[in-house]
This record gives sequence, structure tokens and C-alpha cells, in this order.
Amino acid sequence: DQQVKQNSPSLSVQEGRISILNCDYTNSMFDYFLWYKKYPAEGPTFLISISSIKDKNEDGRFTVFLNKSAKHLSLHIVPSQPGDSAVYFCAANNYGQNFVFGPGTRLSVLP
Amino acid sequence: GAGVSQTPSNKVTEKGKYVELRCDPISGHTALYWYRQSLGQGPEFLIYFQGTGAADDSGLPNDRFFAVRPEGSVSTLKIQRTERGDSAVYLCASSPTRTSGYNNEQFFGPGTRLTVL
Repeated sequence: DQQVKQNSPSLSVQEGRISILNCDYTNSMFDYFLWYKKYPAEGPTFLISISSIKDKNEDGRFTVFLNKSAKHLSLHIVPSQPGDSAVYFCAANNYGQNFVFGPGTRLSVLP
Repeated sequence: GAGVSQTPSNKVTEKGKYVELRCDPISGHTALYWYRQSLGQGPEFLIYFQGTGAADDSGLPNDRFFAVRPEGSVSTLKIQRTERGDSAVYLCASSPTRTSGYNNEQFFGPGTRLTVL
């Protein structure tokens, strides 16, 4: 029973265009969400987070949107760059509990 | 400063053998986590240490898995009687603290790829 789902295993985007990565969750108790990026042979690195009291958080080219009623969040990368090519994991938790990660989406940004 | 390091980077063993995987967290980080990542999956929580004690070991799959952190720094994940299904990348992460109750940013190591033949 996956509590955090990333239904697109892979995504290809042209350089300079927008990348949109989606994440759905089932546990309504989750109230903190994060995105991690992972390059091959490296550990995941933190990208951006959002608390459930917000519906948007922006950091440079990266914006995370949260729709609590739909239990859905998305990561937007604008403009996409070849160096953004990586696996992106969505993670969620609620206060005092541990993170639950989604299965990841592999993003390929084509030059 | 140095990030989280894990040794070995790769470990190949035979079914039934015992293995130890080591994690060196970022200096000063009190919280340490172990995860297991199987092919095509995201990291799956195994155990969390706050200081020397295991604050949450609910993710350990069975009693063949055990982890220690005797001095509140380096941690070792121990797997007895390994099975082919244990093959995965084992990730360690550390964070400065867990004061808020939220797992704030965790810094991950590169992982140890365990292959059980």
C-alpha cells in the first residue's frame, strides 16, 4: 500500500521548457512534503519543501505546489536545464513520524 | 565540511553470510537514519537514531537486521543470514537535530550497494 505515489516513472523535456513532476499521497495526516533529487551513484539531495499551511513555495527555478484537498503536489522546474536530469523523489511525513518516499520519477532534459 | 560517508560502496556476499555496513554522519549531527532502496523504488525507512539510542526501529523488516550507534556518531547496520531479497542500496542520512518533530533536511550518503548471491 503505497502512501506516496509518483505515477510517472519517467519524463522527457526539452531544455528551456517547463518540467512538471507530480506526486499523490493517500495519508491525510501528512503535513510536510519534500522533494529530493538523486544523481546516479550519489545519495538523494534535498531540493525544496512545503508545509501544509502553504499552497506554494518557490526557490529560484523550482516551485512546489500543494493541493491538500486533492492530496496532490507538484514540482515545477522553469527553465529546465540538462543538469536537472536526475531521479526526483517526493517524500511526506507528519509531525514526529518518519519520511515516506515515493518511487521516483526520472527526468531527462534534452539539449 | 565532509558529507555523510558510507563504506563499503559495494558489497557482494553469499546467501547466509553476515554483513556489516558502516555510516559516518556529518560531524555534530545527532539524528541518523538508515533506509533501504530497492530497484525502481524510493528509499524505505529502516531505523532512526537520536544520539546513541534507536528512537524508532519500526522499519526493520525482521530480526536479522540490527543497527548500532554506540558513541552517537558512526553507525553500523548489521544483517545476519543474508537472503537474496536483501539485495538493495542501503542509504544512510543524518540531520542536525529533530527538535521540531519534523524531519527537516536530511543529508544522505552515497549508499552501499549490497548484492546477495
